[in-house]
Amino acid sequence: NAGVTQTPKFQVLKTGQSMTLQCAQDMNHEYMSWYRQDPGMGLRLIHYSVGAGITDQGEVPNGYNVSRSTTEDFPLRLLSAAPSQTSVYFCASSYDGFYGYTFGSGTRLTVV
Amino acid sequence: DAKTTQPPSMDCAEGRAANLPCNHSTISGNEYVYWYRQIHSQGPQYIIHGLKNNETNEMASLIITEDRKSSTLILPHATLRDTAVYYCIVRAQSKLSFGAGTTVTVRA
Repeated sequence: NAGVTQTPKFQVLKTGQSMTLQCAQDMNHEYMSWYRQDPGMGLRLIHYSVGAGITDQGEVPNGYNVSRSTTEDFPLRLLSAAPSQTSVYFCASSYDGFYGYTFGSGTRLTVV
Repeated sequence: DAKTTQPPSMDCAEGRAANLPCNHSTISGNEYVYWYRQIHSQGPQYIIHGLKNNETNEMASLIITEDRKSSTLILPHATLRDTAVYYCIVRAQSKLSFGAGTTVTVRA
């Protein structure tokens, strides 16, 4: 039982490049979310999903796309990376949204 | 989701109980109180949650006032490894939004 797995752990992108941050969970959780955390700041919700095929925007969705084709996976796509997207990205999942969320260990992204 | 107010920081002596307050005066009847913590640069960790009854698990106790407008997270015997940012969150289902939290420093 691996929990929430995020890949890669570290990534450096050039401005304008695109990439996908991967998030997978093996706990059969319906609810999944993506957050970003800038240095010295709290977590901000980017996108979330309440089940396969259902996604919605959080507080800071601009510049990011998500899809949820399976229960297990919730990838986050950066369309055209900007230095302002330099951050640590956390993925989280919950059985039904009421139980506590389990977080991954994060992806540290730097855009130069 | 209801807004929460937490002190920005607090210190605690190792081995003593740490009492972390949280005000949530606009909480709705169907909203739960959740506590998470984030140890330096790691992903947040779920601690405990409750609706109106006090709750206890292996990590902590949660005391919710009768009017539900405030709550206290109790770490019964704080250790150096409990040094972290603690977040009090009030919500119904789905979205989990984090505020600034309380930075708790446990001192030897």
